[in-house]
Amino acid sequence: AQKVTQAQTEISVVEKEDVTLDCVYETRDTTYYLFWYKQPPSGELVFLIRRNSFDEQNEISGRYSWNFQKSTSSFNFTITASQVVDSAVYFCALSPRSTSGSRLTFGEGTQLTVNP
Amino acid sequence: EAQVTQNPRYLITVTGKKLTVTCSQNMNHEYMSWYRQDPGLGLRQIYYSMNVEVTDKGDVPEGYKVSRKEKRNFPLILESPSPNQTSLYFCASRWGITQYFGPGTRLTVL
Repeated sequence: AQKVTQAQTEISVVEKEDVTLDCVYETRDTTYYLFWYKQPPSGELVFLIRRNSFDEQNEISGRYSWNFQKSTSSFNFTITASQVVDSAVYFCALSPRSTSGSRLTFGEGTQLTVNP
Repeated sequence: EAQVTQNPRYLITVTGKKLTVTCSQNMNHEYMSWYRQDPGLGLRQIYYSMNVEVTDKGDVPEGYKVSRKEKRNFPLILESPSPNQTSLYFCASRWGITQYFGPGTRLTVL
């Protein structure tokens, strides 16, 4: 069975602060995929990133960066110089490679509020 | 435009009245799935379909039915809705490994 834990239920920061959203996962599978999705106030789910468990290289995309550490089963997401438009619920998710992405387990989500 | 659509977007109904939430994708994806989102629980998978006429249970299938008679459509059926099925429902289709989600359907069962 898979489990994804996002211990931070809510985070509030002031614009331009850096913020890190934590994600810890549990799985017995040796290969798997990890995802982050964003849910802005409008409600849709927006795909942000996918990482393969066999690729521990960190990734940066603009103000977003992701730190994958297999040793600690974590896949944390950092927003640098946060903006009001970053306010959203962020979900971390896990999918065993054996299911080819069919079975997706989500964390509880972290509500990020960026105040002007 | 490539997209997943759901209808209706909002629905208020009463206990026991059968309803169907439709989901359609125009990307010729073989895989489709349904999730429900509840506060504090994230999204949980209800059913998924690997292709036409191939469906399987997710983590919370009780009280739901699905069918996949054609590739583009994957309706979610609640034969006898109950208040604990009040939730936000998302349909998704998959390209490669990544799932892309529809806009959501907010269902309230009174």
